[in-house]
Amino acid sequence: DIQMTQSPSSLSASVGDRVTITCRASQGISNYLAWFQRKPGKAPKSLIYAASSLQSGVPSRFSGSGSGTDFTLTISSLQPEDLATYYCQQYNSYPFTFGQGTKLEIK
Amino acid sequence: QVQLVQSGAEMKRPGASVKVSCKASGYTFISYAIHWVRQAPGQRLEWMGWINAGNGNTKYSQNFQDRVTFTRDTSATTAYVAVSSLSSEDTAVYFCAREGYDTLTGWGNFDYWGQGTQVTVSS
Repeated sequence: DIQMTQSPSSLSASVGDRVTITCRASQGISNYLAWFQRKPGKAPKSLIYAASSLQSGVPSRFSGSGSGTDFTLTISSLQPEDLATYYCQQYNSYPFTFGQGTKLEIK
Repeated sequence: QVQLVQSGAEMKRPGASVKVSCKASGYTFISYAIHWVRQAPGQRLEWMGWINAGNGNTKYSQNFQDRVTFTRDTSATTAYVAVSSLSSEDTAVYFCAREGYDTLTGWGNFDYWGQGTQVTVSS
């Protein structure tokens, strides 16, 4: 199975800050990488697919980059509603696997 | 708009079975696969497998192929996951997700998710 490692596990930042979360795959997955946001009691929301493509309706402050084994999710200007846990997920091969999550807190 | 609405929380005894539903709306149900994912307390999200809502074909993760069954009702646009012989290790939030298509990576990314269903197994 492909192991996905996210860092950091938690992060505290201020409104307006630029935030970066990284995800590393244990083997190459090309660009078969997605990011999604999860808030308690709500359906997870897909943010990024194919490593860098923004899902429809997602604010442009979210962006993704990377290919192969190293990937990044960036929030260019943190907003209060971005308080959530963020996950990466590889869909290059079965079984699909997920990062452990990054809990983002607002200072 | 696309929505996946899951059934409510369940509490079960060890050894029992549970069936969770995922009602789809806002798109052509039979044109997409539905995946199931669960997250136990303190654990990572764990992919369980998928069902092709059109032809009913299924694929199970090796970790679940013995006790998990995916079904769907096309007239009700609803997918189901049934888990048998429950133990405390099956206590988790269960999610359904639609498998989307994009021109870069084809099928595979989860573009819409259900809100999750808490299943608690306790004696």
